[in-house]
Order: sequence, then C-alpha cells, then structure tokens
Amino acid sequence: DAKTTQPPSMDCAEGRAANLPCNHSTISGNEYVYWYRQIHSQGPQYIIHGLKNNETNEMASLIITEDRKSSTLILPHATLRDTAVYYCIALPAGGTSYGKLTFGQGTILTVHP
Amino acid sequence: GAGVSQSPSNKVTEKGKDVELRCDPISGHTALYWYRQSLGQGLEFLIYFQGNSAPDKSGLPSDRFSAERTGGSVSTLTIQRTQQEDSAVYLCASSSATGVNEQYFGPGTRLTVT
Repeated sequence: DAKTTQPPSMDCAEGRAANLPCNHSTISGNEYVYWYRQIHSQGPQYIIHGLKNNETNEMASLIITEDRKSSTLILPHATLRDTAVYYCIALPAGGTSYGKLTFGQGTILTVHP
Repeated sequence: GAGVSQSPSNKVTEKGKDVELRCDPISGHTALYWYRQSLGQGLEFLIYFQGNSAPDKSGLPSDRFSAERTGGSVSTLTIQRTQQEDSAVYLCASSSATGVNEQYFGPGTRLTVT
C-alpha cells in the first residue's frame, strides 16, 4: 500500500472549514484514497473515499489532485465534535492487504470555540 | 439503523484466565473484522471473516487467540491464558462484501489483564 504523509496536528475554529491535507505521491493506479477518523475513546469512523474524482457525502468532501499525488479532506463547517485524529490511507481494491486497515500517525484536528 | 455492537465494553481479568469478547455486526454485512489497538498505538489487524469463506487468520499474534463467527453474524474472539501484553482495546468492524475497505467499527472492548 502506498505511504501517506499528513501533518501531525491542525487547529480550526468552530464553524469554519477544516481542510486536512494528505500526500500520497507513490499511490498506484488501483489504490483508492480513504479517510477515517477516531474520536477519543471511540472506534474509528469511516468518512469518505475516492479514486480520482472529487467526492462529497453528508460528512465531508474529498478533493484529489489530477495527478493523484495528494488529496484534501474538507469538513465544511467544523464543530467541536469533529475534534479527532484523522487518517488518510491508500488502499487497493484487491490483493492480500484487502480489507486489512492500518493507520499511520494521522492528523490531530482540534476544533476550538 | 443499528451499528456494530460489542460486549462487554470493559473487561478486567487476571493473568492466565480465558476471556471471550463478542461482536454483533451490522445486519446484512457479510464481512467481519477484529483489530486491537494498544494505548497510543496504531490499529493491528487480527482476523477477517468474509461470508462462508475460510477466515483470514494471518494477524492473530499467537495460538492463544481464536475467533469464530456463527451463522454468518455474531462473532466471538477468545483469548486463552491471558497475558499482560494482551491488554488493549479490541475493535470489531463489519462491511459489505463489495466494500471491504469501508468498514464500520464498534465501540470496542477495553481489556485489562492484571
């Protein structure tokens, strides 16, 4: 699986957009970009994923660059409950690692009032 | 709808005792996963069930760990002769057959071995 790089921490004001970057310059053509988050003392939570097109759901938007070497997760109106560790991972659609999630260090997002 | 549930939420046991952890996946999800997460550590894959196929046990750390899934739904993770290094949060997740990277996690069971 391609390595991903994320800033260790970010701050965001409540009500503002939180833009979380992720670098995945070695991503291969069959790997999707997935985002999960983990709020303190809770299990991880799936957010969104994409291959090459931008994606949006009720939680967030995912913007993937045309060369697919980086992406940005956007929480349009961050709330205090969005404070969590956010993980960006590149996962293949098949193969031996299929379905076996591993998280790196992620980005600690702190939303403040 | 109902999410993944796990029980118990907390378990304290003495070294050497056996423990059973239970997971109820989302209804209709054919894939079920067990992970563990130690304090400040990342996610460690343990075992993966997909439908009626033989489970992928490649992540089980020792033969003291086993898991079963009855009737394609509820799963039980059993740890025999627990050791202090088994202390961790044990997480269960489920997914559809075609969305195995889109996993929905339960709240976890915090296991403490004294």
